[in-house]
Amino acid sequence: GENVEQHPSTLSVQEGDSAVIKCTYSDSASNYFPWYKQELGKGPQLIIDIRSNVGEKKDQRIAVTLNKTAKHFSLHITETQPEDSAVYFCAASVPSGTYKYIFGTGTRLKVLA
Amino acid sequence: GAVVSQHPSWVICKSGTSVKIECRSLDFQATTMFWYRQFPKQSLMLMATSNEGSKATYEQGVEKDKFLINHASLTLSTLTVTSAHPEDSSFYICSARTGGPPNTGELFFGEGSRLTVL
Repeated sequence: GENVEQHPSTLSVQEGDSAVIKCTYSDSASNYFPWYKQELGKGPQLIIDIRSNVGEKKDQRIAVTLNKTAKHFSLHITETQPEDSAVYFCAASVPSGTYKYIFGTGTRLKVLA
Repeated sequence: GAVVSQHPSWVICKSGTSVKIECRSLDFQATTMFWYRQFPKQSLMLMATSNEGSKATYEQGVEKDKFLINHASLTLSTLTVTSAHPEDSSFYICSARTGGPPNTGELFFGEGSRLTVL
């Protein structure tokens, strides 16, 4: 089955710097890759997603890139702010059955003021 | 984005009792909802897929008699933890997918329910 690996597990950056989180997946048939932000004690919130027919997608300070050949995708946050501090999860959608999502192990991002 | 409401947000119960958690899609209909469990500082573990009008599909290792799932309508799925024990204490999160055909909609999560079993 699908397996998603995520790195790094923790990341500290200075306010204003960029942060990059990387994920790899194993099932080449996966074709949808969302990113979620989870704040303490809350449910995950979708922040950006990308489908396999696109190589890059950007939404203001957040961007996601996808390399289908290498089976990896990355989240890029520019001009980080303290409120970006949270746990970020990547996921891959398994294109069969109910299209369940397999999540990465999460990255705890800390933006230092 | 779409709104998924989960209730209660936290619950404390005695060992041996049952607890029901509700998950509602407020502004869209969801034929499929998912239930996850999350331990502290860990990722989301898919427990089961809740299908409206049919039986839930459980992931390997998840006891279906322990975690009863009912998806009675297109906007409501419930998870009942039966005969709860301290090891069932966890953060339970539901999610629902918008859109029509599978893999075309987005997945939105509820705010989670923290269960503590004494």
